[in-house]
Amino acid sequence: RKEVEQDPGPFNVPEGATVAFNCTYSNSASQSFFWYRQDCRKEPKLLMSVYSSGNEDGRFTAQLNRASQYISLLIRDSKLSDSATYLCVVTAYNNAGNMLTFGGGTRLMVKP
Amino acid sequence: GAGVSQSPRYKVAKRGQDVALRCDPISGHVSLFWYQQALGQGPEFLTYFQNEAQLDKSGLPSDRFFAERPEGSVSTLKIQRTQQEDSAVYLCASSYPSGTGGISPYEQYFGPGTRLTVT
Repeated sequence: RKEVEQDPGPFNVPEGATVAFNCTYSNSASQSFFWYRQDCRKEPKLLMSVYSSGNEDGRFTAQLNRASQYISLLIRDSKLSDSATYLCVVTAYNNAGNMLTFGGGTRLMVKP
Repeated sequence: GAGVSQSPRYKVAKRGQDVALRCDPISGHVSLFWYQQALGQGPEFLTYFQNEAQLDKSGLPSDRFFAERPEGSVSTLKIQRTQQEDSAVYLCASSYPSGTGGISPYEQYFGPGTRLTVT
């Protein structure tokens, strides 16, 4: 079983739709949580950190449930430019500093 | 300012060839990571440097993989006797030390990657 699990999708949604992605992680020692965005044939880029209290950045809302080891990302009013792969990422401080453990990614396609 | 750069961007190697992949991290970044991303998968950790010290190499898939960062800045990932299963994108990332600078103490800045194809 992978340490971070995501539904690979693709999620095909019309512009303006609300879409939610979920992710589960198995390492209860995980300390920090993120969503990264990766465009086709590009490097991953940090989208937002995820906090237990939930956090919002414009149209994006991220939530963490430590008890269930579950992370979510909600995108409201989808834009064509949101089309990308969204990577759920966890990290636990160890000898590898802040090594990132990635999920397999969820592909989103927003259509006109 | 300049981000993380990697070279070459694309590399085609014949099975059995040795390859060397280069990473230039952001100036002043102490931590450097290598990840391997197979097609349709998320990146997977290979190895980690703090300055010139390789503190974790647990993700290297075999002893054909070797990484170094002799002066604590540029790093090279070498793959000996390449095999077809080595075909992937190799990503380098750098970050500030934990707790100092950056948007988040854990934010890693990724380079564009080297796409390795072994034929």
